[in-house]
Amino acid sequence: QVQLVQSGAEVKKPGASVKVSCKASGYTFTGDYIHWVRQAPGQGHEWMGRINPNTGGTNYAETFQGRVTMTRDTSISTAYMELSSLTSDDTAVYYCARGPPARSPNCLDVWGQGTTVTVS
Amino acid sequence: DIVMTQSPDSLAVSLGERATINCKSSQSILYTSNKKIYLAWYQQKPGQPPRLLIYWASTRESGVPDRFSGSGSGTDFTLTISSLQAEDVAVYYCQQYYSPPLTFGGGTKVEIK
Repeated sequence: QVQLVQSGAEVKKPGASVKVSCKASGYTFTGDYIHWVRQAPGQGHEWMGRINPNTGGTNYAETFQGRVTMTRDTSISTAYMELSSLTSDDTAVYYCARGPPARSPNCLDVWGQGTTVTVS
Repeated sequence: DIVMTQSPDSLAVSLGERATINCKSSQSILYTSNKKIYLAWYQQKPGQPPRLLIYWASTRESGVPDRFSGSGSGTDFTLTISSLQAEDVAVYYCQQYYSPPLTFGGGTKVEIK
């Protein structure tokens, strides 16, 4: 079945960077966009951006421009999200999600289990 | 950015009764060329990722029980649970995918009365 499996929880110091991975299985990795969405404790969902795994092209939310980098390794069907200059406001659960162009590349039909990032 | 506003923040419904959740977008999310509404509904239970329930405002995702339905037009949308079951206790979110940045409503918590 279609699955996105994310890397484990991270604890980082303020000013550090974090890199979260998202391994896809059960479908053609290069066929569908991968989005990153975060949810801070008690807060709503915040879209960070997306990557086209086929081309490597990215679109980032303005809020994160200059601080986020999304990449992929097609040989292992894995997408990555790196966030730099961390502050306590970046403490959140980070999700990757799939956006299949056959439906709409921005409709998120399958989600990873989430990765908790704690900045302290 | 398109702002998505949900109401109510929470509601308590008796088992077997109807639950209705509202969502309003700050601008139209109807793409006129294909006449599709770029709105999705998600269910999220504690400790779990969101689960897609409805897309194109009214199309049920595969495997979603038919007690869940979506409706609406223009800028006002509704998610209805026709007969609330115990397993439906969760937070429900709307999301527009008309234009980046993708934006979500603040969520509606559904509980059993």
